[in-house]
Amino acid sequence: EAQVTQNPRYLITVTGKKLTVTCSQNMNHEYMSWYRQDPGLGLRQIYYSMNVEVTDKGDVPEGYKVSRKEKRNFPLILESPSPNQTSLYFCASSLRSKETQYFGPGTRLLVL
Amino acid sequence: GIQVEQSPPDLILQEGANSTLRCNFSDSVNNLQWFHQNPWGQLINLFYIPSGTKQNGRLSATTVATERYSLLYISSSQTTDSGVYFCAVEGTGGFKTIFGAGTRLFVKA
Repeated sequence: EAQVTQNPRYLITVTGKKLTVTCSQNMNHEYMSWYRQDPGLGLRQIYYSMNVEVTDKGDVPEGYKVSRKEKRNFPLILESPSPNQTSLYFCASSLRSKETQYFGPGTRLLVL
Repeated sequence: GIQVEQSPPDLILQEGANSTLRCNFSDSVNNLQWFHQNPWGQLINLFYIPSGTKQNGRLSATTVATERYSLLYISSSQTTDSGVYFCAVEGTGGFKTIFGAGTRLFVKA
């Protein structure tokens, strides 16, 4: 089944403890992206990747890192999480930029 | 950057009613998508529609790129249509995706 998977689905952590949210797609898509969703603000793009080893900032990249070492994986790294990073995170992929994006199930993160 | 505005912000319908949701964008786009976020938080693709008209069952969408707006039509609404509807665009000048704030729809039985 073609899909985008994210792990973990739910995470509670404390301020400053590094964490990684994984994202994987099995559709051989070139374009991958991370979003955060906060009440009243819709979804905002954090980082995107056009292909392996090609990443760029979205609208809210501060406090996040990404890497794209393999085509199928695009992990989101929070080196030192803070409470304002408490949010619902989505990973998405598309065959190429400017084509239909498919979203993962989301990861709910609470930073205490 | 591109601004995306959706209206109305909230909508309550009686089951069986029709509705039109609007998405305005401030600049030229290469990509426009409509999504439905169900009450469990899942984002579901509805349409990829940078221009023209598409239909899928009770849903249809029209994008008039030259006038910078898109419309999503829901006919004979059902309770399962409840949730939040988002439009998202990618501008011609870059590769970022910008979402509107969404329209929250509640369909009463």
